[in-house]
Amino acid sequence: KAGVTQTPRYLIKTRGQQVTLSCSPISGHRSVSWYQQTPGQGLQFLFEYFSETQRNKGNFPGRFSGRQFSNSRSEMNVSTLELGDSALYLCASRSDQTNTEAFFGQGTRLTVV
Amino acid sequence: DAKTTQPPSMDCAEGRAANLPCNHSTISGNEYVYWYRQIHSQGPQYIIHGLKNNETNEMASLIITEDRKSSTLILPHATLRDTAVYYCIVKSNTDKLIFGTGTRLQVFP
Repeated sequence: KAGVTQTPRYLIKTRGQQVTLSCSPISGHRSVSWYQQTPGQGLQFLFEYFSETQRNKGNFPGRFSGRQFSNSRSEMNVSTLELGDSALYLCASRSDQTNTEAFFGQGTRLTVV
Repeated sequence: DAKTTQPPSMDCAEGRAANLPCNHSTISGNEYVYWYRQIHSQGPQYIIHGLKNNETNEMASLIITEDRKSSTLILPHATLRDTAVYYCIVKSNTDKLIFGTGTRLQVFP
């Protein structure tokens, strides 16, 4: 079974631009969560999608948004990029059952210059 | 979600057991204890989780105290590849994982 796939692995963008990151969950998993990891703030929860609906949201500004498609693939978008948005963005997928483990992808490393 | 407290760093000799402690004194009855680890620049890897009974799998054992206010992750025979940051997380029924700062485990030869 293929793991969680995130694309692209690396990205360089300029301040003010917008970016879209993609996540393909493990086959059969309908829950997809996104996390941001920075040296200063550590790993922080962004949002979670389940069956195309946002089910949970972290404390991030509205510039951070996401969506999920009918095949459970998910995208997150960051608009008007700031230098502080440079981070490793991680996606995790989970099966429908509660209290099961989440499987993480390798992440997308975004650098804003 | 309950907060967890872990030591910032630990060392362990290769081949010995690594015992990583975690305090979660505000845990509530329906919250599970999860352990993940992250090797440099990779995505976090699930290790084990439990509610109140001790758990064991091919990677580790999880010992949860009777009052559930603390737990210990045990890697029975640490190898150099176990060098990583280990996160103890208390999770409710939501899918949100609240990561703390974790314990940086260094396994030395």
